[in-house]
Amino acid sequence: SYVLTQPPSVSVAPGQTARITCGGNNIGTKSVHWYQQKPGQAPVLVVYEDSGRPSGIPERFSGSNSGNTATLTISRVEGGDEADYFCQVWDRSSDHLVFGGGTKLTVL
Amino acid sequence: EVELVESGGGLVQPGRSLRLSCAASGFTFDNYALHWVRQAPGKGLEWVSGISWNSGGVGYADCVKGRFTISRDNAKNSLYLHMNNLRAEDTALYYCAKDMGPEMYGGNSAGLFEYWGQGTLVTVSS
Repeated sequence: SYVLTQPPSVSVAPGQTARITCGGNNIGTKSVHWYQQKPGQAPVLVVYEDSGRPSGIPERFSGSNSGNTATLTISRVEGGDEADYFCQVWDRSSDHLVFGGGTKLTVL
Repeated sequence: EVELVESGGGLVQPGRSLRLSCAASGFTFDNYALHWVRQAPGKGLEWVSGISWNSGGVGYADCVKGRFTISRDNAKNSLYLHMNNLRAEDTALYYCAKDMGPEMYGGNSAGLFEYWGQGTLVTVSS
């Protein structure tokens, strides 16, 4: 089955830019979605179809996808952005929806 | 406002059954695919099952196929997950999630989780 690889953790200072990667074989040919999950809360969709932003999500959140890596970029990071972030795709070969293992974003 | 409210979780012995429900409101229910996603304690997210707008398409993760059955009642704006032969590894918080489109995957704006409920906890233990 299709595997998505995320770094377990990323740390960034407030006001800086955080980049969270999601690796997969030819992931650039798939639509990638990103979710934010704060402790004790349900996940929230923050980027869909590589770079789309749902209503209510700040412009600071953006996405890109090419080759074997998709990236979630959070600009001007704030303390409230501290959370776990998960990437997700549809694996056509198995007809399964697949998540990455998640990345814990720490704001220093 | 979209609202998804799960219920039916609890403590159950291995090998027993449980049915989860998800009551939906705030959107045209029969226009969208729906999913169940679970999260074991301290772990990541795992897609469990999905169903298209008219129940014409259903899908399951390999680890639950043959044991779990997803269904929906569009007249009642409700989604269900019938879980049989439960195992300890099924212990998790189960979320109901609304897709962005009518199909659970394969098309534009499909196969993603636009809105989530707060989850219902299933604990499988003797």
